[in-house]
Amino acid sequence: AQSVTQLGSHVSVSEGALVLLRCNYSSSVPPYLFWYVQYPNQGLQLLLKYTTGATLVKGINGFEAEFKKSETSFHLTKPSAHMSDAAEYFCAVSEGGSNDYKLSFGAGTTVTVRA
Amino acid sequence: DAGVIQSPRHEVTEMGQEVTLRCKPISGHDYLFWYRQTMMRGLELLIYFNNNVPIDDSGMPEDRFSAKMPNASFSTLKIQPSEPRDSAVYFCASSLRLAGKETQYFGPGTRLLVL
Repeated sequence: AQSVTQLGSHVSVSEGALVLLRCNYSSSVPPYLFWYVQYPNQGLQLLLKYTTGATLVKGINGFEAEFKKSETSFHLTKPSAHMSDAAEYFCAVSEGGSNDYKLSFGAGTTVTVRA
Repeated sequence: DAGVIQSPRHEVTEMGQEVTLRCKPISGHDYLFWYRQTMMRGLELLIYFNNNVPIDDSGMPEDRFSAKMPNASFSTLKIQPSEPRDSAVYFCASSLRLAGKETQYFGPGTRLLVL
């Protein structure tokens, strides 16, 4: 079984400042890891994902995340926050390479951006 | 592609009534997932299908909930009878099981309020 812990339910950053959202996972097999973003009253949209290969993955809207197996982490970063980044962000994990495509989601982190 | 389509977008009903939520996955996708999102419990996987066959329904809360997928382009989630605690946003997602295409694409959700 797999699970995800997102540290911090709310993050507030100034426009132009670094965005850092923390995600730790547990999985009994090599994981597939995902970050999704949810804007108000909308569905979830994929930001980026790690399956295999390069551990630093780049996604849409300037976000990137690094898979660190030794730390069981997959933290999401963006060098410079924009007002449009205000949303809720979810980290998710599935059992990579298996026939099980279930995603387990973290509780989410709400990002607010101050002008 | 139009993406995952869900209907209705909003549903208000009275306790005891039957509720049917509908989902049209992305054409060609062979996995379909139903999720429920609440403030208290976050995002929960209810059930998922592969090639129209239910694979895992362990997340279905109780017998009042049922889901069907009569063909590759349509699925329903039914609640009968509905209760106020069923109030939530219900998401449908679909994915394609090919290497590198594990991403789940979410619909806009159905916001259900049971009075």
